[in-house]
Amino acid sequence: EVQLAESGGGLVQPGGSLRLSCAASGFTVSPNYMSWVRQAPGKGLEWVSIIYPDGATYYADSVKGRFTISRDKSKSTLYLQMNSLRVEDTAIYYCGVSGSPNLGDSWGQGTLVTVSS
Amino acid sequence: EIVLTQSPATLSLSPGERATLSCRASQSVSSYLAWYQQKPGQAPRLLIFDAANRATGIPARFTGSGSGTDFTLTISSLEPEDFAVYYCQQGSHWPTFGQGTKVEIK
Repeated sequence: EVQLAESGGGLVQPGGSLRLSCAASGFTVSPNYMSWVRQAPGKGLEWVSIIYPDGATYYADSVKGRFTISRDKSKSTLYLQMNSLRVEDTAIYYCGVSGSPNLGDSWGQGTLVTVSS
Repeated sequence: EIVLTQSPATLSLSPGERATLSCRASQSVSSYLAWYQQKPGQAPRLLIFDAANRATGIPARFTGSGSGTDFTLTISSLEPEDFAVYYCQQGSHWPTFGQGTKVEIK
């Protein structure tokens, strides 16, 4: 069974940094497309970042240059390094997996990031 | 960026009724269109991919159709567990979501 478990969320001041983790089980991370999607409180969904099986990475314009997606194959873990955080980055962050690009077959339960002074 | 517009914003129906949800893209996305269901406090759940293919374990009462710019998700007979928010998402270019349609109990 595919399982994804996010961690690392919390309260951070504007301009601060945070690293999110997503522990994967029931499948192998590297041959799949892994993504981060976020949802601001009471709002809709926004795709944040994707890492392809070949290691290529892509980002939404809203986070480009500030966020970095990466994976550790040996630990079956996906990461999202978030720097220069802004109030508008406040959201629940979900990690997802798919065998196809730009799709989310399964998602974790999410971790809440709050950016506030 | 491709903009997806969902209608209606809210659909008030009774269990057993048919639900028809629409999603319109600002430019053609071919058949790269997915539908997700989200319940309060839960992650999104993939229902339909490539416009018309049900994801694993999704009941047959969920049907997706359309191509190009106009898409529809139909729930043939609403079950109590189907009352939720539904999002369409395109994967033709950088992925984007619609704003959602809430299916609520009438």
